[in-house]
Amino acid sequence: AQSVTQLDSQVPVFEEAPVELRCNYSSSVSVYLFWYVQYPNQGLQLLLKYLSGSTLVKGINGFEAEFNKSQTSFHLRKPSVHISDTAEYFCAVSEETSGSRLTFGEGTQLTVNP
Amino acid sequence: EAGVTQSPTHLIKTRGQQATLRCSPISGHTSVYWYQQALGLGLQFLLWYDEGEERNRGNFPPRFSGRQFPNYSSELNVNALELEDSALYLCASSLWGGNEQFFGPGTRLTVL
Repeated sequence: AQSVTQLDSQVPVFEEAPVELRCNYSSSVSVYLFWYVQYPNQGLQLLLKYLSGSTLVKGINGFEAEFNKSQTSFHLRKPSVHISDTAEYFCAVSEETSGSRLTFGEGTQLTVNP
Repeated sequence: EAGVTQSPTHLIKTRGQQATLRCSPISGHTSVYWYQQALGLGLQFLLWYDEGEERNRGNFPPRFSGRQFPNYSSELNVNALELEDSALYLCASSLWGGNEQFFGPGTRLTVL
């Protein structure tokens, strides 16, 4: 079984500041890793994913994440945030098998202040 | 290309009733997943359907059930509704064997 821990439930930052949202996972098998964003009253949108290859993954809206196998982490970063980045962010893992369920972290509410 | 669609957007039921939620996957996707997002409980995996069969099930009681139709659309049925079933129910779809799930906007179920 796998689990995901998002270390910060809320992250307030000022506009144009850098941000890092932290995610650690636990699994006995190899996993795929994902970051999703959820805007108020909407579904989930995929920001980026790590399946294999380069440990630095670039996603949409200027976000990137780095897979660190030794630390079992997959932290999300953005060098300069905008007001429109205010949303809830979810880290998720799935086993490296077909059709595997996603296991989500508890979510991090990012609030970007002017 | 149309995304995953879900209906209804909102559903209000009373305790003990049954609720039916519907999901249409992205064209070409054969796998459908259901997740529950309840306040304070986060996002929990409910069910996975592929090719009309239930492939995997999360830790939910049997009163949560569903089916997948030949056109790959899916229904989630919740019987004997309880207050704690109030949540946002999200449907996702993927290609067969795919590792990326695409989510719909959700159905907000309120049980009074």
